This record gives sequence, structure tokens and C-alpha cells, in this order.
Amino acid sequence: AQTVTQSQPEMSVQEAETVTLSCTYDTSENNYYLFWYKQPPSRQMILVIRQEAYKQQNATENRFSVNFQKAAKSFSLKISDSQLGDTAMYFCAFMKHASDDKIIFGKGTRLHILP
Amino acid sequence: EAEVAQSPRYKITEKSQAVAFWCDPISGHATLYWYRQILGQGPELLVQFQDESVVDDSQLPKDRFSAERLKGVDSTLKIQPAELGDSAMYLCASSHPGGLYEQFFGPGTRLTVL
Repeated sequence: AQTVTQSQPEMSVQEAETVTLSCTYDTSENNYYLFWYKQPPSRQMILVIRQEAYKQQNATENRFSVNFQKAAKSFSLKISDSQLGDTAMYFCAFMKHASDDKIIFGKGTRLHILP
Repeated sequence: EAEVAQSPRYKITEKSQAVAFWCDPISGHATLYWYRQILGQGPELLVQFQDESVVDDSQLPKDRFSAERLKGVDSTLKIQPAELGDSAMYLCASSHPGGLYEQFFGPGTRLTVL
């Protein structure tokens, strides 16, 4: 069975700093997808960034980028120039190949951006 | 912008009572998911629908939970009888085949069982 581990329950950084959230996963699959979802306080969860395992190039979305290390089964999220609106719970998630689109979520990292 | 709708947003009930949650996915989204999110943890899938059919309900406690999506559009999740351990956020999400597996989440229903 697939597992997703986020080892940082909570983090705080100053506004404008760069922060990296860690995620490791365990799978025997070769083709899969990885996601980072953001859940702001009292608001719905939204997708931040996704990575397809067959792509070597790390995904980037504006200030958000990932460091995908397939051999190490590591998938960290880097937030550059952090903003107050980045304060949220961040969930790392795994999904097997398209034939099974069930997502496995980690327990989350609560990120506080301090003014 | 289209969103997933859920109601009620908050529900307080006593144990042994019945509760029901409603979800209306984004129009055109064939796949609908119900998740349970215990405070401080990630969402866990309870049931997944493809149109009106259940694709995965392996984690649904079927002795007390039921879910339906009769016309393949909106969905209802029911708990009867509710237990103290059911207190959690219940999230609904939807997706469509051309969406690169992105799931769109509703605001959730926060259930408190007293």
C-alpha cells in the first residue's frame, strides 16, 4: 500500500522568505502522480502543483516549485517570496496511474507566514 | 467560477441521531468523492462515484454510513446512527477526465457529535 509522510507538523517563516516543506512517499509503482494541496483556514482545499513521475523536470507554478527525487521517493515543495496569504495547511498527496485515481494524502504541514 | 457546493456547513448532533450531508459537484464532473478529515490530519477517502456508480467504498463504514448519487449529479452522504468518533470535517470533491487528475474540493461540512 502507498503511504505519504510529512515530517513537519508545523512551520513558521517570515514574510518574503523562502520555505521548503518536506514529503516522502512509499510505493512500488513506476508511474504515478504527486500533488501539493493547500487548505487555507476556513476555506476549501485547492491544488498548488502537480508532478508526473515520468517527467524528470521539476514542476513550477509561479512562486511554487517542487524538488522531485524519484529514487529517494521525495517530493518537497518550495515557496519563494512567501506571502501572508500562503498561511495554510499543506498536504502532499500521491495517486497511482490514471486507471486508479484514488488520492492518498499525508497528514499535512501547518505553515504560518509571519508579518 | 464554478465551485463544489456543500451543505450544511456546520452540523451539531447527538449520538445515535441520523445526519445527512449534501454535495453538488461542478457541472460536467463525472467523478465525485467523499472524504473524512479528522482534525489535524489529511483527508481520507470514504467513497468515490463515477457518474451514479460506486467505484470505491472500501473505507466506508457500511454499518452506519451510506452514500448515493442517484442521477449522477449531486450526492448525499448519510450517517445513522452517529457516534462520537464521527466528529470530523466531511469534504466533497469532484473531477473530470480532462482535468489532469485535479480534484476540486467543496468547503466541507463540519460535524460535531455530542
